[in-house]
Amino acid sequence: GDSVTQMQGQVTLSEDDFLFINCTYSTTWYPTLFWYVQYPGEGPQLLLKVTTANNKGISRGFEATYDKGTTSFHLQKASVQESDSAVYYCVLGDLNYNQGKLIFGQGTKLSIKP
Amino acid sequence: DPKIIQKPKYLVAVTGSEKILICEQYLGHNAMYWYRQSAKKPLEFMFSYSYQKLMDNQTASSRFQPQSSKKNHLDLQITALKPDDSATYFCASSQEGGNTGQLYFGEGSKLTVL
Repeated sequence: GDSVTQMQGQVTLSEDDFLFINCTYSTTWYPTLFWYVQYPGEGPQLLLKVTTANNKGISRGFEATYDKGTTSFHLQKASVQESDSAVYYCVLGDLNYNQGKLIFGQGTKLSIKP
Repeated sequence: DPKIIQKPKYLVAVTGSEKILICEQYLGHNAMYWYRQSAKKPLEFMFSYSYQKLMDNQTASSRFQPQSSKKNHLDLQITALKPDDSATYFCASSQEGGNTGQLYFGEGSKLTVL
């Protein structure tokens, strides 16, 4: 079945460090890929969207790129801040079928040491 | 102000009982969803509704019944509760036809079944 895998369950960085979170996916259709972020006590919210057409998305200092050859999708940020502490989810969607049915990865908890 | 209101925020129930989780959205969206987040599992799609009609049901058990009394309401009734039902339940919404894949989530209702 369709799946998304995030191997990094937890990442701890210092302020101004470089962030890289990797994700791989498996599906038989052409997906739209998202990164959602969840802050403590809140529901997930959309951070970035990348379609297989444009390969890249940028928002709030974060950049996501997609590699169809390796079916991988990663999130990076040049310099993290304490306010970036949250859980980041790699998400798969099929906008042609049911835009509300998203497949979430396990999440990567980012902790920033002040 | 939260645009998606979920009530209650926390609830404790005994095995075999029944609970209703309330969701109201004030974003003017016509599609609403329920997701579940169990301990150590990814966020999981349960139901989608469009214009108050069930569009997709990925929940195997009939103990979970969504109820839409108004366009901006989608409650979730859970009967014969089991300890495995313990999870945080998130309501979400989107604009049907927007085709962006952006879902707006509530803050969740955390259910503990003893």
